[in-house]
Amino acid sequence: DIQMTQSPSSLSASVGDRVTITCRASQSISTSLNWYQQKPGTVPNLLIYSASSLQSGVPSRFSGSGSGTDFTLTISSLQPEDFATYYCQQSYSAPTFGQGTKVEVK
Amino acid sequence: EVQLLESGGGLVQPGESLRLSCTASGFTFSNYDMAWVRQAPGKGLQYVSAFSAGSAYYADSVKGRFIISRDNSRNTLYLQMNSLRVEDTAVYYCAKYLTTTTTTIFGSWGQGTLVTVSS
Repeated sequence: DIQMTQSPSSLSASVGDRVTITCRASQSISTSLNWYQQKPGTVPNLLIYSASSLQSGVPSRFSGSGSGTDFTLTISSLQPEDFATYYCQQSYSAPTFGQGTKVEVK
Repeated sequence: EVQLLESGGGLVQPGESLRLSCTASGFTFSNYDMAWVRQAPGKGLQYVSAFSAGSAYYADSVKGRFIISRDNSRNTLYLQMNSLRVEDTAVYYCAKYLTTTTTTIFGSWGQGTLVTVSS
């Protein structure tokens, strides 16, 4: 299985901050990388697919980049509704998720 | 509106079996690949199984114990779980499994059903 490692595991930030989350694959996965947001008590919601394509309806403050083994999710200006846990997921082979990054209030 | 409704979860003892169902509405079920994803309490997401292009796929952790199937006439996806282990305890979600040119995503998700394996 391809291992996905996110960093950091958690971070504290304030509204308006620029937030960056990194996801590293154990082998090259081209751009077969997706990002999900999960708020407590809710189901995951797709934010970004194919590393950099914004899912319909997702605010433009979210962006993704990367290819190969290193990927980034950026929130350009953190909003109150963005405090959540974020997961990357590779689809190059049998799907695997990163362990998650919890974005908390500073 | 797409709706996915899981059922069949509950408390079972190690070694026992359970069958989960996911009833779909709001879309043409037979046209879509479907998948199961689970989340242990307080933990991250883990792919379990998918029914894609007419074939079944499994995570290594459940291979040989779980069986995915579907009944398009009933708009229902199933997950037969045998030889359950304590580590199978999780909320099980069904999701639309959507393939683009460069990736496969878990699209719409159900609300999940909790499976607890404990003696």
